[in-house]
Amino acid sequence: EDQVTQSPEALRLQEGESSSLNCSYTVSGLRGLFWYRQDPGKGPEFLFTLYSAGEEKEKERLKATLTKKESFLHITAPKPEDSATYLCAVHHGYGGSQGNLIFGKGTKLSVKP
Amino acid sequence: NAGVMQNPRHLVRRRGQEARLRCSPMKGHSHVYWYRQLPEEGLKFMVYLQKENIIDESGMPKERFSAEFPKEGPSILRIQQVVRGDSAAYFCASSPDATVGYTFGSGTRLTVV
Repeated sequence: EDQVTQSPEALRLQEGESSSLNCSYTVSGLRGLFWYRQDPGKGPEFLFTLYSAGEEKEKERLKATLTKKESFLHITAPKPEDSATYLCAVHHGYGGSQGNLIFGKGTKLSVKP
Repeated sequence: NAGVMQNPRHLVRRRGQEARLRCSPMKGHSHVYWYRQLPEEGLKFMVYLQKENIIDESGMPKERFSAEFPKEGPSILRIQQVVRGDSAAYFCASSPDATVGYTFGSGTRLTVV
């Protein structure tokens, strides 16, 4: 069964304390791995798409990497405004349409000043 | 360019009533997706539509739920005879095609009393 597992569920960091969020996936035929950020009461905001192992994408203090079994979202020198829930999603495998994403439950990040 | 517009933002319905949720995609986006987020759960795929066509409805409950995306006007998610278990946040997303990251709306929070 295709699934996405994110860890940790919650992460508390001090401002400037770098760390990584993990997204492990099992899917038959990965067609794309997505990272989103979700603030309370809002919809997810698209961050990155990764398609193949070894691929990396960067945006400000965030860097996403992909292996054959997992993805990491590295946060360098985080600021309080980086506090949010970070969601990982994969395109369903061969049995699903390209419109069908499987989401993990997210990692809730809190960055204290 | 306005983002994905969902309305209403909050909707309260009594058990047995109908709920109609509206989604206007971003300009130029012809692919629309509906997801449901239950408390403490991840986002779950419901349905994927293109103009006048349902592409994938594998995540839709078999009864009471329907979706449409007419040639003119917004996409509509319709829930008939709502029950308490339908209480959730319903998110709509759109994209220019099915291979890129979606843009999500802010969601409609449905409460069934």
